Amino acid sequence: GENVEQHPSTLSVQEGDSAVIKCTYSDSASNYFPWYKQELGKGPQLIIDIRSNVGEKKDQRIAVTLNKTAKHFSLHITETQPEDSAVYFCAASIGAAGNKLTFGGGTRVLVKP
Amino acid sequence: GAVVSQHPSRVICKSGTSVKIECRSLDFQATTMFWYRQFPKQSLMLMATSNEGSKATYEQGVEKDKFLINHASLTLSTLTVTSAHPEDSSFYICSARDPGSYNEQFFGPGTRLTVL
Repeated sequence: GENVEQHPSTLSVQEGDSAVIKCTYSDSASNYFPWYKQELGKGPQLIIDIRSNVGEKKDQRIAVTLNKTAKHFSLHITETQPEDSAVYFCAASIGAAGNKLTFGGGTRVLVKP
Repeated sequence: GAVVSQHPSRVICKSGTSVKIECRSLDFQATTMFWYRQFPKQSLMLMATSNEGSKATYEQGVEKDKFLINHASLTLSTLTVTSAHPEDSSFYICSARDPGSYNEQFFGPGTRLTVL
């Protein structure tokens, strides 16, 4: 089955700096890659996603890139703010967005004021 | 976006009792819902896929007699942890697929189960 690895497990940045989280996946059939933000004691919330027919997608301060050949995708957060502090998860699935998701291990991001 | 609720948000029970957790899609109909389990500081692990009107599909290693799933309507799926033990203590999260939003999955707020 699919295996998703995520790095780093923790990331501490100064407010205003950029944060980058990287994920690799194993199944070349995967074609949907969402990113979720999870705050303490809450469920994950989708922040951005990318499909395999696109190499890059941007939404304000958040961007995601996908390299299908290398089977890796990354999340970029620019101009970080304290409210960006949370745990971020990448995931991958085969087929449509609503299919079974395999999650990465998570990255705990701390933005220091 | 679409809203998914879970009830209860927290539950504490004694060892050997059964606990039911509800997952509801509030503003859309979900033929498919998913149940996840998350231990502290770990990732989400898919337990099962819940399909309306049919049996759930369980992931390898998940005991179907231990974790009973019922998806009796298009807006409600339930997870019952039977004969709960302390090792079942965890954060249980559901998600629901919204066909009106490109089948995107929307997650519930989670249920914290503590078994004494």
